[in-house]
Amino acid sequence: DTAVSQTPKYLVTQMGNDKSIKCEQNLGHDTMYWYKQDSKKFLKIMFSYNNKELIINETVPNRFSPKSPDKAHLNLHINSLELGDSAVYFCASSSGIETQYFGPGTRLLVL
Amino acid sequence: SQQGEEDPQALSIQEGENATMNCSYKTSINNLQWYRQNSGRGLVHLILIRSNEREKHSGRLRVTLDTSKKSSSLLITASRAADTASYFCASYNNNDMRFGAGTRLTVKP
Repeated sequence: DTAVSQTPKYLVTQMGNDKSIKCEQNLGHDTMYWYKQDSKKFLKIMFSYNNKELIINETVPNRFSPKSPDKAHLNLHINSLELGDSAVYFCASSSGIETQYFGPGTRLLVL
Repeated sequence: SQQGEEDPQALSIQEGENATMNCSYKTSINNLQWYRQNSGRGLVHLILIRSNEREKHSGRLRVTLDTSKKSSSLLITASRAADTASYFCASYNNNDMRFGAGTRLTVKP
């Protein structure tokens, strides 16, 4: 069974479109995260949710909006996609200050 | 801002050799973690060292932590071709985890 899953795995879309990436974890963790990994492999945290409440919101454009319907899900909605949004987006979860478990990533390409 | 920087950025060694990667961070931490990322995959946790620990071992991995210098090192002994991957350190402080830019390790058979 996959611990942290993301859909879709690949996403190719046109500039200006709106898209969503879904994340689900079956580990019973309270905290979930979204990271963006750019072409240089640098991994940057975007959002962190604990029990459906936002606890970290880095300097991310308003076009990015996370939504957590329950503590097992943290979805990422992106409005008005731009070329610079092309990256790999990783979801992760943890039970606190210990290990984070990462999903397989969603490769977003904006044309 | 980037927290945690690894060096070297890239490391190429022969199978059987040891690989050492270093990491520096900027603020106080609860713990420091090392992750591995195979090409095209998500990150996988390798080892965690708490702020009050100085050294930790797990199989062929040895991690050290020097909080006075805000630095850590990861040593992989007797490397194998399958160890080829990118390795990231991550400093954890109060619900906030920051990753470095990673070291790309290539182990030649």
